Amino acid sequence: GESVGLHLPTLSVQEGDNSIINCAYSNSASDYFIWYKQESGKGPQFIIDIRSNMDKRQGQRVTVLLNKTVKHLSLQIAATQPGDSAVYFCAVMDSSYKLIFGSGTRLLVRP
Amino acid sequence: KAGVTQTPRYLIKTRGQQVTLSCSPISGHRSVSWYQQTPGQGLQFLFEYFSETQRNKGNFPGRFSGRQFSNSRSEMNVSTLELGDSALYLCASSPDPLAGGPENEQFFGPGTRLTVL
Repeated sequence: GESVGLHLPTLSVQEGDNSIINCAYSNSASDYFIWYKQESGKGPQFIIDIRSNMDKRQGQRVTVLLNKTVKHLSLQIAATQPGDSAVYFCAVMDSSYKLIFGSGTRLLVRP
Repeated sequence: KAGVTQTPRYLIKTRGQQVTLSCSPISGHRSVSWYQQTPGQGLQFLFEYFSETQRNKGNFPGRFSGRQFSNSRSEMNVSTLELGDSALYLCASSPDPLAGGPENEQFFGPGTRLTVL
């Protein structure tokens, strides 16, 4: 079945810098990918998604890049702010339409 | 529009007991999915209900069950609780995860923190 892995359990960045969080998936047939943000005491919050027919998608201060050749997904956050501190999960929808989550990367923003 | 609500927010039970958790989806959403979140295993899919039918199921023992009512509200039940069932149980609603585009977005509730002693 599908598996999803994140490259770093923790990422520390300086406020104002850009952050890049990476994710790898196993199934080359995967079609739909999502990034979630989870703050302490809250459920995951949708950030941005991308389908396999796209390589890049941009939102407000966030960009998701999809490299289907190496089965890699990344989330870029521009001008990282203290409010961006959270755990970030990538999720892949498998062939039976359930979400498979990565283990999460904790983003720490240094003032 | 109100978000996904889950009750109770916190629960303490002892081994062998059973527990029922409740989830009210966003108005108009017909799909409800349940996830278990633990530090060791991360977020794991339990099951998904759509129009009162279980449409998808994860790899959890039969002690974990759920149901959905005609108003789309959902409950999950865990019987014969074990220490390892201690977790944050999250509910997510969407119009229909099988639809394409924005309809795929799942909105999560705050979760129910279950502690088994």
